[in-house]
Amino acid sequence: GAGVSQSPRYKVAKRGQDVALRCDPISGHVSLFWYQQALGQGPEFLTYFQNEAQLDKSGLPSDRFFAERPEGSVSTLKIQRTQQEDSAVYLCASSLVLQETQYFGPGTRLLVL
Amino acid sequence: AQSVTQLDSQVPVFEEAPVELRCNYSSSVSVYLFWYVQYPNQGLQLLLKYLSGSTLVKGINGFEAEFNKSQTSFHLRKPSVHISDTAEYFCAVSGRGGGADGLTFGKGTHLIIQP
Repeated sequence: GAGVSQSPRYKVAKRGQDVALRCDPISGHVSLFWYQQALGQGPEFLTYFQNEAQLDKSGLPSDRFFAERPEGSVSTLKIQRTQQEDSAVYLCASSLVLQETQYFGPGTRLLVL
Repeated sequence: AQSVTQLDSQVPVFEEAPVELRCNYSSSVSVYLFWYVQYPNQGLQLLLKYLSGSTLVKGINGFEAEFNKSQTSFHLRKPSVHISDTAEYFCAVSGRGGGADGLTFGKGTHLIIQP
């Protein structure tokens, strides 16, 4: 089947607005990861799910960032009261099980004005 | 905790010449090692990975990498590059210790192929 998909591909938000970014992992993949990639940098880990359980959220930069995966499949990354420093590409990756190869989606490019 | 250093932010190479992209890592635990490629406006695509066994790993598109534990390096090589290899290349590590292991990435190396 299909690879990891993310929507929207591009999002422009005004400062202070809330945004929601969606990730559809590869069917049957247990592990799901979110990364943030600032311009000219490598991706940085945000959070990790195993099925519906969020096992690691140590990389979330502030309490304005919230992620969920309620049914163990689709995941949503929500950013409340967006700030200009939140502008980045948000990448989602999934793997069959933990420590197997992670497959990445195309990312959502967020621009906060 | 792990860290990854990619020593070159940009590497210009002539078409059909060989190339080496350097990667060094540090970690307090044994690691898995990866190279990903990112084409403009696309997600990351796995080139190759080292999990265990032979230290010379072959990947897609003619790339290979060698794990050197004593030098904590995982350099990427290709004997003859093509214009289509122009992209950003990321080295990454994850710990083997179990638990949640997101990948730790380097800052990337932009490979520029000159005709």
